[in-house]
Amino acid sequence: DARVTQTPRHKVTEMGQEVTMRCQPILGHNTVFWYRQTMMQGLELLAYFRNRAPLDDSGMPKDRFSAEMPDATLATLKIQPSEPRDSAVYFCASGLGGMTEAFFGQGTRLTVV
Amino acid sequence: AQKITQTQPGMFVQEKEAVTLDCTYDTSDPSYGLFWYKQPSSGEMIFLIYQGSYDQQNATEGRYSLNFQKARKSANLVISASQLGDSAMYFCAMREGRERDDKIIFGKGTRLHILP
Repeated sequence: DARVTQTPRHKVTEMGQEVTMRCQPILGHNTVFWYRQTMMQGLELLAYFRNRAPLDDSGMPKDRFSAEMPDATLATLKIQPSEPRDSAVYFCASGLGGMTEAFFGQGTRLTVV
Repeated sequence: AQKITQTQPGMFVQEKEAVTLDCTYDTSDPSYGLFWYKQPSSGEMIFLIYQGSYDQQNATEGRYSLNFQKARKSANLVISASQLGDSAMYFCAMREGRERDDKIIFGKGTRLHILP
């Protein structure tokens, strides 16, 4: 049963701490997306990768957020330092290029206190 | 600039009735894809249906169909014979066909409530 796996599912951290979220895309998928979901802003695209190379990270606050794909089976999203306004659900999705759908992970619910 | 517009923040519909969720989009690219996703209260994002800009017929998947009106740039989701389990948030999304700019962007969503 192919699925996108995100860890952790829930994270509570104190302001100023580093947060790392991980995503394992579906095997064979060459495109990985990171989204942030909040009540106010909805689903915002933070960054996306094709064949591990970043294609667009314009939605990401550069001073504190970073996204990488160390290898084809792992994508990471880091926040350092974290702030209360970063509290949200972070989704990873994977798919193929072109006009095909993306498959979403279960999300990481981040709470920064 | 926002490219996907969902004008209905919330809808209440009686069980077994048909539902139409509105979505309009904006693009200058002749090649694009339109998607609908469902997000139930559990939080997962479930892909429902896809329509390509060159597709001649409206897409259908079971009780879901997409009313695609290209000239009006509209891609409404129709759910026939609604069920209580259809209560969820529904997102319209678009993907343009450029090789290095094919990100998927989402509308703000419509929260659908099915009443027994």
